[in-house]
Amino acid sequence: DAGVTQSPTHLIKTRGQQVTLRCSPKSGHDTVSWYQQALGQGPQFIFQYYEEEERQRGNFPDRFSGHQFPNYSSELNVNALLLGDSALYLCASSYRRAGARGGTQHFGDGTRLSIL
Amino acid sequence: GEDVEQSLFLSVREGDSSVINCTYTDSSSTYLYWYKQEPGAGLQLLTYIFSNMDMKQDQRLTVLLNKKDKHLSLRIADTQTGDSAIYFCAPAFYGGATNKLIFGTGTLLAVQP
Repeated sequence: DAGVTQSPTHLIKTRGQQVTLRCSPKSGHDTVSWYQQALGQGPQFIFQYYEEEERQRGNFPDRFSGHQFPNYSSELNVNALLLGDSALYLCASSYRRAGARGGTQHFGDGTRLSIL
Repeated sequence: GEDVEQSLFLSVREGDSSVINCTYTDSSSTYLYWYKQEPGAGLQLLTYIFSNMDMKQDQRLTVLLNKKDKHLSLRIADTQTGDSAIYFCAPAFYGGATNKLIFGTGTLLAVQP
């Protein structure tokens, strides 16, 4: 039973470029959340997708956008990259239909994004 | 607002018990989670407690919840060197059909042999 998988594992970009990160949820899960973890900090919630729609969003600018596909996988896109976007980007999946309050989130190993 | 605070560092000797504490500001969360992060890795779910419970035991792990004081703790019995990692408490907040997790800065647990 595959867990949450993310690709790529590492990525190096320069300021101003655009990046796309990918996430495949754990088998049986239907909801994907994205988090940004800067060095030495806890993860910060970016946004969450369920039924191919963005359902909640944290305090991140519009440069951060996403998408969820019919197979529940998801992409995180970041435009006009800044040095401060350097971080570990974590994807978490859960099973919404587990209950009205949503299911337990399981995390992937993340994509380490470095901006030069 | 939704804030979570944890002490930054805890050092214990192998075989002792570890207690990691967490305080949070918003009491509307239904579930409160504990995650473990080893260097260079993602987050591993350890356990969770439902907000109407005071205590939950799961093998070597015991979670205590004081909802009145908005205080959560994780006790690890018989701490081993393999328990060395960063531990995050994360209350879940419902909205938009599912829930989001709010994390503190985490507690680095160092286990001395």
